[in-house]
Amino acid sequence: DTAVSQTPKYLVTQMGNDKSIKCEQNLGHDTMYWYKQDSKKFLKIMFSYNNKELIINETVPNRFSPKSPDKAHLNLHINSLELGDSAVYFCASSPYTGSPTEAFFGQGTRLTVV
Amino acid sequence: AQSVTQLDSQVPVFEEAPVELRCNYSSSVSVYLFWYVQYPNQGLQLLLKYLSGSTLVESINGFEAEFNKSQTSFHLRKPSVHISDTAEYFCAVSEVTDYKLSFGAGTTVTVRA
Repeated sequence: DTAVSQTPKYLVTQMGNDKSIKCEQNLGHDTMYWYKQDSKKFLKIMFSYNNKELIINETVPNRFSPKSPDKAHLNLHINSLELGDSAVYFCASSPYTGSPTEAFFGQGTRLTVV
Repeated sequence: AQSVTQLDSQVPVFEEAPVELRCNYSSSVSVYLFWYVQYPNQGLQLLLKYLSGSTLVESINGFEAEFNKSQTSFHLRKPSVHISDTAEYFCAVSEVTDYKLSFGAGTTVTVRA
């Protein structure tokens, strides 16, 4: 069974479109994250939720909106996509102990904006 | 806030040779330290972690890392690499009271026969 699963794995879309990436974890973890990995492979945290509550909101354009319907799901919605949004987006989860003692990552969603 | 510096962006190495990947961190409080590995077109997998206790930690596939508080380092080593160790390696740090896991820029390890 996949611990952290993301869909879709690949997403090609035109500039200006709105798209969503879904993430689900079956580990029973309380905390989930979205990371963006750019073309140079640098990983930057975007958001984190703990028990459906937003706890980290880095400097990210407000076109990006996370939504956590329950603690096993954290979806990422992106409005008005731009070329610079092209990247690999990783979802991750970790057990809540006040610090991410271990994060489990999904396989990533490669977003290409054309 | 914490930060991580990986001193080598690319490390080419021959099969069966040793390898060391350097990682330094900056933080004003106690930290947890991690090494993650990313194989081509895959997600990140935890390789090993330091939370507390013994400063030398080992993975099941022969990697080890040593936490050095005075030098604020957490270098990763393997005495003999395999072709299958070709991957991107990320050092990461989190402060013990923070939710955020911060990553270094990554080190590309290419193992050649």
